[in-house]
Amino acid sequence: EADIYQTPRYLVIGTGKKITLECSQTMGHDKMYWYQQDPGMELHLIHYSYGVNSTEKGDLSSESTVSRIRTEHFPLTLESARPSHTSQYLCASSGAGDTGELFFGEGSRLTVL
Amino acid sequence: GQNIDQPTEMTATEGAIVQINCTYQTSGFNGLFWYQQHAGEAPTFLSYNVLDGLEEKGRFSSFLSRSKGYSYLLLKELQMKDSASYLCAVTDSNYQLIWGAGTKLIIKP
Repeated sequence: EADIYQTPRYLVIGTGKKITLECSQTMGHDKMYWYQQDPGMELHLIHYSYGVNSTEKGDLSSESTVSRIRTEHFPLTLESARPSHTSQYLCASSGAGDTGELFFGEGSRLTVL
Repeated sequence: GQNIDQPTEMTATEGAIVQINCTYQTSGFNGLFWYQQHAGEAPTFLSYNVLDGLEEKGRFSSFLSRSKGYSYLLLKELQMKDSASYLCAVTDSNYQLIWGAGTKLIIKP
């Protein structure tokens, strides 16, 4: 059973608001990821981290930022939300095993009005 | 560029067998994953192939041919709960995961 948690599960906010999506895992995984996924569409990597104090931007240009101060915690922040940010955000982690299997959180569905 | 192709949608009958194909063109190859994703939920791991051949796990099997850049996921004895999207993903030479758009599988009684 994967132990990776995201909050909030659902969020509706107005344009211009600052929001932080939380992601925590209790598996001690070094690698963590944030993906953005629109309904019926592919996953797009927006940020990843290979350990504490390490963060990188992914393939999809994003106006969000992330931090990795503790191994278990990888929050994503939008300084000023816009309707174009409406999407599902999925957090994932992977350990040092051979396969690199990703464990996903349940997702945060964001709607910006 | 890097590319993964899989059919957008497939329909099958309960109790039958279905094969979902995936072809890929990536810079290097370090393994191929299949994930299942039910509507509105997060993906869950199904299988991993890094060597050519067939990996069987219960009702699900996954096949890989590295020389052809090709994989398939075989689902047997289909159940209504198998209705979901099936995502193919390849790890490239930099160990980055490249995702396909997914195949939506519809199971009919």
